[in-house]
Amino acid sequence: DTEVTQTPKHLVMGMTNKKSLKCEQHMGHRAMYWYKQKAKKPPELMFVYSYEKLSINESVPSRFSPECPNSSLLNLHLHALQPEDSALYLCASRLRGTNEKLFFGSGTQLSVL
Amino acid sequence: SQQGEEDPQALSIQEGENATMNCSYKTSINNLQWYRQNSGRGLVHLILIRSNEREKHSGRLRVTLDTSKKSSSLLITASRAADTASYFCATVRGSNYKLTFGKGTLLTVNP
Repeated sequence: DTEVTQTPKHLVMGMTNKKSLKCEQHMGHRAMYWYKQKAKKPPELMFVYSYEKLSINESVPSRFSPECPNSSLLNLHLHALQPEDSALYLCASRLRGTNEKLFFGSGTQLSVL
Repeated sequence: SQQGEEDPQALSIQEGENATMNCSYKTSINNLQWYRQNSGRGLVHLILIRSNEREKHSGRLRVTLDTSKKSSSLLITASRAADTASYFCATVRGSNYKLTFGKGTLLTVNP
């Protein structure tokens, strides 16, 4: 299994809703990433987890709350989002070495109304 | 902040021609990688070049790295319509393996 699976593929939510994005991999990877990508822009790094511990937080607003319950699963909890948070949210994983590529999921397209 | 700057931002060529994309970055890196993205979905890794390497090949891809100029180039030879996509360079820095993308090049290969 060489896949990173993200659910849901599409999500529409109101500004008062609470929702979660899910990312799963069964490749034994020990580092997992969240990126945010606006249309026609490059992905922007949000969070990195290494061995289930948060190692990088790129000054992301607290309305985005990451969680890594185990080495295979990464969640992004969303609360009180703004319309400008509408974007493609990409999850990626990496085996954990000094020169390793990232494997990406196909993303969750989020629309905040 | 974005580490890499791609050049050109958009490139349109005919099938069979070669496509060259350039990437510049600002700080020292562990390695540099190139990714491809179709239609705003997931990214696919193409090739990785380490900071102590100068050139690498993979199939129709050739990547160069010049650490003195802090730049890299990606050459796609004998392009095909299926190569139409956005191409991003990504630099890796630090022990936390922070991978940061450049602005990307939109490549269109016309049949």
